[in-house]
Amino acid sequence: AQTVTQSQPEMSVQEAETVTLSCTYDTSESDYYLFWYKQPPSRQMILVIRQEAYKQQNATENRFSVNFQKAAKSFSLKISDSQLGDAAMYFCAYRSRNRDDKIIFGKGTRLHILP
Amino acid sequence: DTAVSQTPKYLVTQMGNDKSIKCEQNLGHDTMYWYKQDSKKFLKIMFSYNNKELIINETVPNRFSPKSPDKAHLNLHINSLELGDSAVYFCASSGQGLGEQYFGPGTRLTVT
Repeated sequence: AQTVTQSQPEMSVQEAETVTLSCTYDTSESDYYLFWYKQPPSRQMILVIRQEAYKQQNATENRFSVNFQKAAKSFSLKISDSQLGDAAMYFCAYRSRNRDDKIIFGKGTRLHILP
Repeated sequence: DTAVSQTPKYLVTQMGNDKSIKCEQNLGHDTMYWYKQDSKKFLKIMFSYNNKELIINETVPNRFSPKSPDKAHLNLHINSLELGDSAVYFCASSGQGLGEQYFGPGTRLTVT
């Protein structure tokens, strides 16, 4: 069975600084998706970034980028120029490429932004 | 024009009652899901439907019964509510080839 591990329950970063959230996963599959979702206090689940396992290039979305290490089964999220609005729970997630498969979430990292 | 909507957003009820949560998506997706987020924020799949057919049914008490009248709707009915059912329930949907799932705003269920 696939698992997703986020080893940092909470992190803090100064506004405008850079922070990296860690995620590791375990799977025997070779083709899958990885995601980072953000959940602000409004509780809405917002997709931040996605990575397809067959793509070697790391995904980027504006200030958000990932470091995808397939062999190490590692998928970290880097947030540059942190803003107060980035404060939220961040969930790392895995999904098999099987069309109808479920998303498996990590336990989340709560990110605090210090003004 | 919300993509995935859920009603109600908040639900407070007493133990032993039966309640339903409704979900609708206007994205044209074929697959819809129910997830449960517990008090520690852990998110776990409960059910999944593809084109009105049940395809994922995790270990969930049979007091929980999903119903999909059409591919745009997936409702969750809960019988004989218990204190431990208190959680946030999220509906989600995904389309073919997308990978990611789009989530509704969640329904916070409180059982007293």
